[in-house]
Amino acid sequence: DTAVSQTPKYLVTQMGNDKSIKCEQNLGHDTMYWYKQDSKKFLKIMFSYNNKELIINETVPNRFSPKSPDKAHLNLHINSLELGDSAVYFCASSQDRGGLYQETQYFGPGTRLLVL
Amino acid sequence: AQSVTQPDIHITVSEGASLELRCNYSYGATPYLFWYVQSPGQGLQLLLKYFSGDTLVQGIKGFEAEFKRSQSSFNLRKPSVHWSDAAEYFCAVGARNKLVFGAGTILRVKS
Repeated sequence: DTAVSQTPKYLVTQMGNDKSIKCEQNLGHDTMYWYKQDSKKFLKIMFSYNNKELIINETVPNRFSPKSPDKAHLNLHINSLELGDSAVYFCASSQDRGGLYQETQYFGPGTRLLVL
Repeated sequence: AQSVTQPDIHITVSEGASLELRCNYSYGATPYLFWYVQSPGQGLQLLLKYFSGDTLVQGIKGFEAEFKRSQSSFNLRKPSVHWSDAAEYFCAVGARNKLVFGAGTILRVKS
């Protein structure tokens, strides 16, 4: 059983389109995250949610909108896609509570987004 | 602000040789430190972590890392590298519900 899953694995689209990436975790964790890995392999956090509540939003353009329908899911919707959005997007989850970071984050396999 | 530096972008070692990957961090409080490995086209897998206690931590696949507060370092080591260890390795510091990653070190293993 996959602990953290993402769909789709690959996404190729045109500039200006709107797309969504889905993430699900079956670990029973409270907190979920989105990270972006750019072409130089640099990983940077974008968002985190704890029990469906946004707790981190790291200077990401408002074209990116996370949505957490329940604590097992965190989806990422991207409006008006730009060339610079091409990257690998990783979802992760952890069992953090109360803002005290002590738990390991488990990562999904990544979604490779290419904007043409 | 928190930051992680991995000074080596690429490292090449012979199979069977020992390995050390360097990691330096900057963080005002007691750090939570991690090493992750990413194989080509794959997600990140946790190798090991340091939260407190013994400064030498053991991880999976025969890896270990040593936390040295005086040097702000958390270097990853393996006594004998296998060809399957070829991958990219990321050091990270945990800071208030997020991980701050280093730029990664690509490990190449030659036979």
